[in-house]
Amino acid sequence: EDQVTQSPEALRLQEGESSSLNCSYTVSGLRGLFWYRQDPGKGPEFLFTLYSAGEEKEKERLKATLTKKESFLHITAPKPEDSATYLCAVQAEGRRSGGSNYKLTFGKGTLLTVNP
Amino acid sequence: DTGVSQDPRHKITKRGQNVTFRCDPISEHNRLYWYRQTLGQGPEFLTYFQNEAQLEKSRLLSDRFSAERPKGSFSTLEIQRTEQGDSAMYLCASSSLVTGTGVSPLHFGNGTRLTVT
Repeated sequence: EDQVTQSPEALRLQEGESSSLNCSYTVSGLRGLFWYRQDPGKGPEFLFTLYSAGEEKEKERLKATLTKKESFLHITAPKPEDSATYLCAVQAEGRRSGGSNYKLTFGKGTLLTVNP
Repeated sequence: DTGVSQDPRHKITKRGQNVTFRCDPISEHNRLYWYRQTLGQGPEFLTYFQNEAQLEKSRLLSDRFSAERPKGSFSTLEIQRTEQGDSAMYLCASSSLVTGTGVSPLHFGNGTRLTVT
């Protein structure tokens, strides 16, 4: 069974204080690893997809990296508007007939609070 | 592109009542998913449609739950004889069918928050 573990559960930073969130995963063949941002009362918002170990993606103050066992979301010089829950999810390789495996398995998320 | 739309945003119901939620996916997306999220947890997969065909249902989806996607457009999720344990955020997502890597990110709506009293 696919598993995703995120740490820490909660992280409080001062504005400008860089840090990293961790996502450890166990999956029977990784097709893709996804990072989402979720604001209170809203649905998850897509950030990145990573496909293979060594890959990196960047967007503004966020950079996601991937190894064979884990992914990191690095936040550089965060601002209060970066406060949110960050979710990691994996998609496993599946049957080829009729298309790829489709289900995402999510972690519980990391609640990030950035204080001004 | 107005994104994934869900209705209603909030629903309060009494235990034992039936409720129905609606999801309108992004128009060009042929894949549609329902997830459930409780406080402090990540979204949990419930069911998946490709066009109008329901291809998988999670074991979380008891026989009180039914989902439909007539004509491969909007989808409905119905919960019969609601229980307090059904209280959660019900999220709908859609994605396109991508060849090659077969990976396409899910785009989520803002969910329907169900409270069963």
